[in-house]
Amino acid sequence: GNSVTQMEGPVTLSEEAFLTINCTYTATGYPSLFWYVQYPGEGLQLLLKATKADDKGSNKGFEATYRKETTSFHLEKGSVQVSDSAVYFCALADNQGGKLIFGQGTELSVKP
Amino acid sequence: DVKVTQSSRYLVKRTGEKVFLECVQDMDHENMFWYRQDPGLGLRLIYFSYDVKMKEKGDIPEGYSVSREKKERFSLILESASTNQTSMYLCASSDRGFFYGYTFGSGTRLTVV
Repeated sequence: GNSVTQMEGPVTLSEEAFLTINCTYTATGYPSLFWYVQYPGEGLQLLLKATKADDKGSNKGFEATYRKETTSFHLEKGSVQVSDSAVYFCALADNQGGKLIFGQGTELSVKP
Repeated sequence: DVKVTQSSRYLVKRTGEKVFLECVQDMDHENMFWYRQDPGLGLRLIYFSYDVKMKEKGDIPEGYSVSREKKERFSLILESASTNQTSMYLCASSDRGFFYGYTFGSGTRLTVV
């Protein structure tokens, strides 16, 4: 079945460091891919998405490119801030009903 | 601003109680979902609904049921609460074209004692 695997956390970085959170997926067909962010005490918010191969999603300085050949959707940011501290979830939506399947989440902690 | 509203942020219930978690969305979305979130396990789908009075089991439906009598409201029911149902519960909704992803509520942290 479809699945999403994220790198394990927690990830601890200093402010202005480069961020990569790896995400790979297993799916039949051509799923849509998403990154969600959960700030402390809140629900999940959509951060960015890509719906076909080679699409690049971007928002708030974060980027991720849909790589079908490596079945990956890695999240990157060039310079993280303390306010980026949160849990990040990679997810895919299959083409048979649109249910989102989530990875286990990666906690990011950014220190000043 | 569009919203998914969950009725309680924190809830404490006793073992064996019947528990209702309410979720309301104001976006006229067709699809609604209930997930539970546990450390190290991510989000797991409990039930979902693509239309009024329609429901489908997700990956972990045991011990839960749902009700969707109106389009905007999707209720999760714990028939007889147990301590292993202590968790964060997240409701979400989406339109029929799922390409825009889901809108989530803020979550209900349920503790069963």
